[in-house]
Amino acid sequence: SAVISQKPSRDICQRGTSLTIQCQVDSQVTMMFWYRQQPGQSLTLIATANQGSEATYESGFVIDKFPISRPNLTFSTLTVSNMSPEDSSIYLCSVHFNTWGEQYFGPGTRLTVT
Amino acid sequence: AQRVTQPEKLLSVFKGAPVELKCNYSYSGSPELFWYVQYSRQRLQLLLRHISRESIKGFTADLNKGETSFHLKKPFAQEEDSAMYYCALSGRAGGTSYGKLTFGQGTILTVHP
Repeated sequence: SAVISQKPSRDICQRGTSLTIQCQVDSQVTMMFWYRQQPGQSLTLIATANQGSEATYESGFVIDKFPISRPNLTFSTLTVSNMSPEDSSIYLCSVHFNTWGEQYFGPGTRLTVT
Repeated sequence: AQRVTQPEKLLSVFKGAPVELKCNYSYSGSPELFWYVQYSRQRLQLLLRHISRESIKGFTADLNKGETSFHLKKPFAQEEDSAMYYCALSGRAGGTSYGKLTFGQGTILTVHP
């Protein structure tokens, strides 16, 4: 397993602004993922962030809206740009570092856009 | 495309009763199935994975490829089992997992005393 932390744990932001969420892992991992959980909804994958390559975005998510950085094997950031109230969600990072699909999740960042 | 369906959004049972949380999937390749659980005010955590065929906290889940199901079962529910349960699917190519997960909508299990 791994210890995963996220900053901030929560934030309230005004529409039109941007927020960068940090994800830190206590061990080196190749694959990191960012998910969104909208109110009352399940988790939806935003993108896969592998170190040394561009993030791979899922259908419905674009780099201009959700730019991701992965500077090393223990850290990643997700930026939510030009926010609107519809971006109010919990954002979670996860890591996957064995040959099976199981993942370990961070505590999440609860974002409210007013 | 891959899809996970959990038909029950809410499930209530009494302590000591059997419980079954249903999960059906759609995937054309070789699936990996998982159950994740989120207790109140805790982060999402892995409960079971089909490949290990283990029992965790009294829960078991068997992958039925013919029925494309991965139902979670426990013969005697406990109050501490009350939580949100998610079924999730990933795929594999050769010996490597794709990693990314598709989640079902989740089932809120409430175990009454």
